Parts: sequence; structure tokens; C-alpha cells
Amino acid sequence: AQSVTQLDSHVSVSEGTPVLLRCNYSSSYSPSLFWYVQHPNKGLQLLLKYTSAATLVKGINGFEAEFKKSETSFHLTKPSAHMSDAAEYFCVVSLNTGGFKTIFGAGTRLFVKA
Amino acid sequence: NAGVMQNPRHLVRRRGQEARLRCSPVKGHSHVYWYRQLPEEGLKFMVYLQKENIIDESGMPKERFSAEFPKEGPSILRIQQVVRGDSAAYFCASSRDRVPQPQHFGDGTRLSIL
Repeated sequence: AQSVTQLDSHVSVSEGTPVLLRCNYSSSYSPSLFWYVQHPNKGLQLLLKYTSAATLVKGINGFEAEFKKSETSFHLTKPSAHMSDAAEYFCVVSLNTGGFKTIFGAGTRLFVKA
Repeated sequence: NAGVMQNPRHLVRRRGQEARLRCSPVKGHSHVYWYRQLPEEGLKFMVYLQKENIIDESGMPKERFSAEFPKEGPSILRIQQVVRGDSAAYFCASSRDRVPQPQHFGDGTRLSIL
């Protein structure tokens, strides 16, 4: 069975310190992986995507994520948090099975303290 | 802004009424996806449509819910005889090609059932 696990429901950091949001997946197929961000009362915005090219993926707003097949992880990082980064983050898996299958993690709420 | 447009943004219905949610995809996108988000949860896939066809409706409740994406006009998610448990945010997304292409999300329709 395919699944996505976001290991932390809430993460709190101080402004200017690094951000780490953790995501593990389980898939029998070669997955495509995405991180989306959701600000209050808004839709989801794509941060970055991995589709079997480079394992280190750079996204918008200084975020990046590394695909580690041996650990089945796709953690999201940012060197220095900004107040505007406070939002909900979703790790998403799309499976290349020929059919449609997109699975969302439960989300991680990021708090940024001044 | 040529993004995904959803309307209305907020919809209030009484139990037993019908709710119609509209989604206009990004221009040139022929793939539309509907998701439901309950408070403090991630998005749950409902249905995937490609112009005039339902490709995957495995996430749709068997009764009261239907979706369409006509040749002309927006995609419609229809909920008949609404109940309190239908209260949620409903998001539409579109993509130019089928997944695993990134999806562009609308800002959602918040449905409240009195």
C-alpha cells in the first residue's frame, strides 16, 4: 500500500533559524514527490517537485528538499526561516502507475517566532 | 490572474438543500481534480475528470455527490441533500497533463451546513 507520513504535526522555529519538515513515503512504484504550502483560507501552492531527476530539488522562497530512496524520505528544509513562512505544509506523492493516485500527507503546521 | 477560479468562496446551506461548487481550471488545462479538506486534516481526493469524462471517482461518496466537467464551462461538484458532515473546504485543482504533473489549486469553497 502507498502512504505518506509527515512526522510532525507542528513545528516551531525562531525567525532566522533553519527549518526542517519531515516526510516519509511508502510506495511500490517509482513516485513523484511534491511539497505544497497552504496559507490560511487559501489554496495550495507548489513549493517544489521531484520527478526522478536530481535528488536535491530547489524550490521557491529558498526551500529545498532531498529525495533519499534508501530512507524513503523527502524532507523539506530552509536555511533561515522568515515570518512569512508560517503556514501549513503538505508532502504529496503521485504514483506513476498509469492510473491516477495522488496521496496527501496530513500536513505540518509551521510556526515562526520573532 | 489566470489561475484556478472557484466560486463561491463561501457557501451556506441548510440540511437537505443542494450545494453546487464551480471550478474554472487554468486556461489550457483539461484535467480537473476535486479534493475535500476537513479541519486540521490534509486533502482527500474525491474525483478526477478530463473534459466530459470521469477518469477516477474512487474518492467520491457513493450517494448524493456527483461531478461533471462539460465541454464548455466550468467543472461542477454537486452535493444533494446536504448533511452537517458535508461541512468542509472543497478544493479544485487542474493540470495541463495527467499526474504526476504538478497541480494548480484554487482557493477553495468553504461549505457550511446549518
